[in-house]
Amino acid sequence: GAVVSQHPSWVICKSGTSVKIECRSLDFQATTMFWYRQFPKQSLMLMATSNEGSKATYEQGVEKDKFLINHASLTLSTLTVTSAHPEDSSFYICSEIFMGGSYNEQFFGPGTRLTVL
Amino acid sequence: GNSVTQMEGPVTLSEEAFLTINCTYTATGYPSLFWYVQYPGEGLQLLLKATKADDKGSNKGFEATYRKETTSFHLEKGSVQVSDSAVYFCALQTDSWGKFQFGAGTQVVVTP
Repeated sequence: GAVVSQHPSWVICKSGTSVKIECRSLDFQATTMFWYRQFPKQSLMLMATSNEGSKATYEQGVEKDKFLINHASLTLSTLTVTSAHPEDSSFYICSEIFMGGSYNEQFFGPGTRLTVL
Repeated sequence: GNSVTQMEGPVTLSEEAFLTINCTYTATGYPSLFWYVQYPGEGLQLLLKATKADDKGSNKGFEATYRKETTSFHLEKGSVQVSDSAVYFCALQTDSWGKFQFGAGTQVVVTP
């Protein structure tokens, strides 16, 4: 299957600072990537759809000014958590779509654990 | 709207026991169905999938059959190992652009 990497794998930051998380597609070009957020012992919540070369599409209730998404190339999408607060602490996971046949399979990155102090 | 309902965990089993995790769904159209597994501290990995009614997905001893009449996709394994301890997510996909709807996840703990 496709390989998706995320960097960093974990980050600790102070409240008020901004943190950038990278999601890279290592073996094919991904025009569409997704960003998810996962709270402890809970399911994944889709935050936004990242489209290469255009603005991201955010899910209802997700603040676009707080979670900035940039998909400048076919292999890289970034999520920037701006002015982070402790409630932003979470596990952030990206995924890319492989378009094939009768379904589109998602390949997930290993996730980035963000802790805001 | 679309939704996925999974049995709540944690499910605690002894090694070599039989595992079943129930999953039912509500969806318009004909979704594709998936089971993903998440090991501690890691992202999700695709375990198995089924794209149409009566399809059976299987991988690593796990199986699930797409039952349209009962809108279910229950995951089963005949003999679990300690290494199967993880969180299992049932998911459906109806959107051609790839949006997934995930269940809440079921934690499975297998003891020696």
